Amino acid sequence: GAVVSQHPSRVICKSGTSVKIECRSLDFQATTMFWYRQFPKQSLMLMATSNEGSKATYEQGVEKDKFLINHASLTLSTLTVTSAHPEDSSFYICSATAGEPYEQYFGPGTRLTVT
Amino acid sequence: AQKVTQAQTEISVVEKEDVTLDCVYETRDTTYYLFWYKQPPSGELVFLIRRNSFDEQNEISGRYSWNFQKSTSSFNFTITASQVVDSAVYFCALSEAYGNQFYFGTGTSLTVIP
Repeated sequence: GAVVSQHPSRVICKSGTSVKIECRSLDFQATTMFWYRQFPKQSLMLMATSNEGSKATYEQGVEKDKFLINHASLTLSTLTVTSAHPEDSSFYICSATAGEPYEQYFGPGTRLTVT
Repeated sequence: AQKVTQAQTEISVVEKEDVTLDCVYETRDTTYYLFWYKQPPSGELVFLIRRNSFDEQNEISGRYSWNFQKSTSSFNFTITASQVVDSAVYFCALSEAYGNQFYFGTGTSLTVIP
């Protein structure tokens, strides 16, 4: 099956710094990538949808200036958490699809801890 | 309104017992897809099954089985002869044909006690 990777798998950063998370589709071209956030013991919540070469579409309540998403190529999307604060600590999961939205392949997730 | 409801927040069973995880969904689309994912403590989502709305046949895969009933908008998941390795959080999800996002349920945390 299709493989999606995320890097890093875990990151600890200090409050006020920015951190970038990469999401790559390893064996297919992803026309659309999705970013989810998961708080402990909660469900996955969609943050934004990004299509290659265009601006991301953010879900209601997600600050686009805080969570910068770039989908520069068909195999790479990045999520940058700017000026991170402890409340941004969470598990971030990306997914990617080559076409049909019901064929989303999920990455292994990135655990962000802001101290 | 919640599109996917998993009413069971936590379930504990003793090893070798059977356990059923409930999932009820809501959609107006006639074409849609239902999923089950397993999320072990590592966090990575493990795909278990995808079912489209036109296929109501029940499915069995080893100790896992799924019961899809459109009449009750349910897509329940049964683990037979549970094992400790089945301990995880299980998510049911819905994808509608004319949309591009997954709607996840709140998950059911399953603990299998040896």
